[in-house]
Amino acid sequence: EAGVVQSPRYKIIEKKQPVAFWCNPISGHNTLYWYRQNLGQGPELLIRYENEEAVDDSQLPKDRFSAERLKGVDSTLKIQPAELGDSAVYLCASSQRAGTDLLGNTIYFGEGSWLTVV
Amino acid sequence: AQTVTQSQPEMSVQEAETVTLSCTYDTSENNYYLFWYKQPPSRQMILVIRQEAYKQQNATENRFSVNFQKAAKSFSLKISDSQLGDTAMYFCAFRPGNAGNMLTFGGGTRLMVKP
Repeated sequence: EAGVVQSPRYKIIEKKQPVAFWCNPISGHNTLYWYRQNLGQGPELLIRYENEEAVDDSQLPKDRFSAERLKGVDSTLKIQPAELGDSAVYLCASSQRAGTDLLGNTIYFGEGSWLTVV
Repeated sequence: AQTVTQSQPEMSVQEAETVTLSCTYDTSENNYYLFWYKQPPSRQMILVIRQEAYKQQNATENRFSVNFQKAAKSFSLKISDSQLGDTAMYFCAFRPGNAGNMLTFGGGTRLMVKP
């Protein structure tokens, strides 16, 4: 079974430029997450989707970040314009619809997209 | 809000020996799930082991096992017969069982396995 797929793996951009990341979750997973991980820290949630609905985006800096999950499958995360402090790894993850069992609550991660803003 | 604490920023172990990584958490929930993830230099978060809070039996996955102490809110990871490929960051994570739940990570422990 294919895992969570992300692209690009690496991106270097100049500040004030836009950048977009793409994610394809595990087949059948209704819930999709975008996390940001700064160097030396644990991941922090940016946004969570249940199907195509963003149900938790309280940590998403909405002035420059946007995300969408059209048709409830693939998702894109965009930053415009990028700032130096946006340099991080952006992790996409997915899980089955959150339920009462361990399997439904297990989150699987992609390989991440490394962003360097110079 | 839940918090997850990993008190060991770095640890090292000799190849083939056993090492235990500690994790404590704070929650008022009774139903929840606990996870250990491994993150090698490639930065992919790989699920190592998981545990349901209402199951008494400690989870085991090959060389990896946990010591889950619910009353003490402790969830340590034991790696037996350590291998060079175990070198990575290890993150403990907590997820409440209710709807709208969010995965909270600890700060991580960097493990170095020495030959």
